[in-house]
Amino acid sequence: DAGVIQSPRHEVTEMGQEVTLRCKPISGHDYLFWYRQTMMRGLELLIYFNNNVPIDDSGMPEDRFSAKMPNASFSTLKIQPSEPRDSAVYFCASSPWGNTEAFFGQGTRLTVV
Amino acid sequence: GENVEQHPSTLSVQEGDSAVIKCTYSDSASNYFPWYKQELGKRPQLIIDIRSNVGEKKDQRIAVTLNKTAKHFSLHITETQPEDSAVYFCAATSPSNDYKLSFGAGTTVTVRA
Repeated sequence: DAGVIQSPRHEVTEMGQEVTLRCKPISGHDYLFWYRQTMMRGLELLIYFNNNVPIDDSGMPEDRFSAKMPNASFSTLKIQPSEPRDSAVYFCASSPWGNTEAFFGQGTRLTVV
Repeated sequence: GENVEQHPSTLSVQEGDSAVIKCTYSDSASNYFPWYKQELGKRPQLIIDIRSNVGEKKDQRIAVTLNKTAKHFSLHITETQPEDSAVYFCAATSPSNDYKLSFGAGTTVTVRA
C-alpha cells in the first residue's frame, strides 16, 4: 500500500476562495482523522470518522470548515470562504481500528493570502 | 472527553544524555498511549506505544512507562543522538469516546552536539 495519500501537497489561494483538501486513507482502515498544525496551536484534531461516519467534529473551528467521507477510500476537507488565519499544514491520518497506530499522510501546506 | 497535558514544551539535552517527557491524562478508561515523533517538515510517525495492561515497554534507546493510578505516562530516550532532535507528541485514547486521537501540545527536543 502507498500509505495515506493527500492532495495537493501545497496550495496557495486568495482570501475568500474555496479550498478543498483531499485524502485517500490506507485500504481497510476504519478510522480517518483530519488535523491542522500551526506553530501557535500545535496539532489540532478537527474531525474524525469511523466507517465513513463523522464521530466528533467539535474541533472544526467554524462553519466555514466542512468535511465529508462519501466512501471508505476518500475524504475531503473544505474551507469556504478561506481566510489568512486558515494558513497551516493539514494532515490526514488513518488507522485500522480505534486504539492502534495512526498513519499520517504527507500533509497539505495551505497558504491563504 | 480525554484531556492530555504534556511537559515540558521544550527540552535541550547534551548528546549522550537522557531525555524525559511526561504526559498526564484525565479519562481513567484510557487504554492506549502512543508516542509520535515529527522531524522538521515531515509527518508525525509512531515511535512507541503502550497499552494499559503493561507498565513499561522498551525499544532500544526508547522506553515508555505508564502509571495508571496517577494517570501519567512518560517517554524516556537514553544516549541521545542528534537525530533524536524533533517534536514529540503523546496521546491517549479511550473506548469511552470512541478512541478519539487527540495529541498533547508537543515537546521540542534539541540534542546539542
